[in-house]
Amino acid sequence: NAGVTQTPKFQVLKTGQSMTLQCAQDMNHNSMYWYRQDPGMGLRLIYYSASEGTTDKGEVPNGYNVSRLNKREFSLRLESAAPSQTSVYFCASTPLVGDPDTQYFGPGTRLTVL
Amino acid sequence: QQPVQSPQAVILREGEDAVINCSSSKALYSVHWYRQKHGEAPVFLMILLKGGEQKGHDKISASFNEKKQQSSLYLTASQLSYSGTYFCGTDLNRDDKIIFGKGTRLHILP
Repeated sequence: NAGVTQTPKFQVLKTGQSMTLQCAQDMNHNSMYWYRQDPGMGLRLIYYSASEGTTDKGEVPNGYNVSRLNKREFSLRLESAAPSQTSVYFCASTPLVGDPDTQYFGPGTRLTVL
Repeated sequence: QQPVQSPQAVILREGEDAVINCSSSKALYSVHWYRQKHGEAPVFLMILLKGGEQKGHDKISASFNEKKQQSSLYLTASQLSYSGTYFCGTDLNRDDKIIFGKGTRLHILP
């Protein structure tokens, strides 16, 4: 099992460019999450998906869109990147909604917006 | 509502004990603890559910006081490998919407 995988690992964008961060899990988990991590700010929830076909906003959703393509994949899109979106992005998954369990994190994507 | 962690940073010598606190202004269903090494992804430590159950394995344990909406992580006889940033995450409504605190940096000196 690969667990949670994220692509790309690193990305540099110019202000105004768009891109999609990809996340996939092979553990048959129902819930998936996108977090961003900035120095001194901890992990902040952007969006999460409790199951295939559903998505909900987290703490900091502005400037982002998500798609739960199927049970395995959950993508994060930046339509018009801004320097404030420079961050490390982590995807995570957990087996079931409402049944507290381990969140498994991917290795992260380091994004720089110039 | 982001939980508040204290202290922000701790420096210890190997073998000393540490306590990291996590508090919320709202009633909690569960508290999750993770450790993150520099440049790596967070790694799960334990989950505590409403009910005040204390958990632990090896020399790391945690408690959950639901009346005070607080959780504490106890690291006993710290080892060099315990160094890293510790995050608590809280779930208010049993909907797996986990909100993390800003973290506590722990540095263990030999």
